[in-house]
Amino acid sequence: DVKVTQSSRYLVKRTGEKVFLECVQDMDHENMFWYRQDPGLGLRLIYFSYDVKMKEKGDIPEGYSVSREKKERFSLILESASTNQTSMYLCASRTGTQGFGEQYFGPGTRLTVT
Amino acid sequence: DQQVKQNSPSLSVQEGRISILNCDYTNSMFDYFLWYKKYPAEGPTFLISISSIKDKNEDGRFTVFLNKSAKHLSLHIVPSQPGDSAVYFCAASGLTGANNLFFGTGTRLTVIP
Repeated sequence: DVKVTQSSRYLVKRTGEKVFLECVQDMDHENMFWYRQDPGLGLRLIYFSYDVKMKEKGDIPEGYSVSREKKERFSLILESASTNQTSMYLCASRTGTQGFGEQYFGPGTRLTVT
Repeated sequence: DQQVKQNSPSLSVQEGRISILNCDYTNSMFDYFLWYKKYPAEGPTFLISISSIKDKNEDGRFTVFLNKSAKHLSLHIVPSQPGDSAVYFCAASGLTGANNLFFGTGTRLTVIP
């Protein structure tokens, strides 16, 4: 069965802290994605990676960075957390190199920055 | 700018009736469309997809219709069940090029028993 796991379901951090969100997939997928979901805005792509050590900016990369050192793991980093980064963060993975095919999502991390 | 739009934030339907969720897109390069369902505190799960070479795809109670000339797709659920109550997102991508999906803002479906 397809599995995408995220390190935390809920996280509370203070403004200015460095935050790491971890995502692991067990499907040997080439592509991995980080989204944030906010009410009325749907899912917005932050970064994606199509291979180890490769990354591409999505629609809203400002304030975030990513790391993909191993094929199964994709980390999202908030260098200095701010209150406007309070959101639900969703990780996804997909096989293949074309746009065809569904993405499989993890359960999400609800991050609150105070 | 939102390239995929779901203009109805919510929809309520009686159990057993048809639910119709709508989605519009602006980018004519989109060739592949998907619907996802999301329950609270869970990640979205894939429901059904359609490529641009088709105008209809059916999977059990779920049917997706694509009207390329109108840049419009819809999801029909027949018959609707209380367990279908969730937020539904439509998404689009190109078959070549970018790997990412463009999502709509979601429609919350409530099926009333």
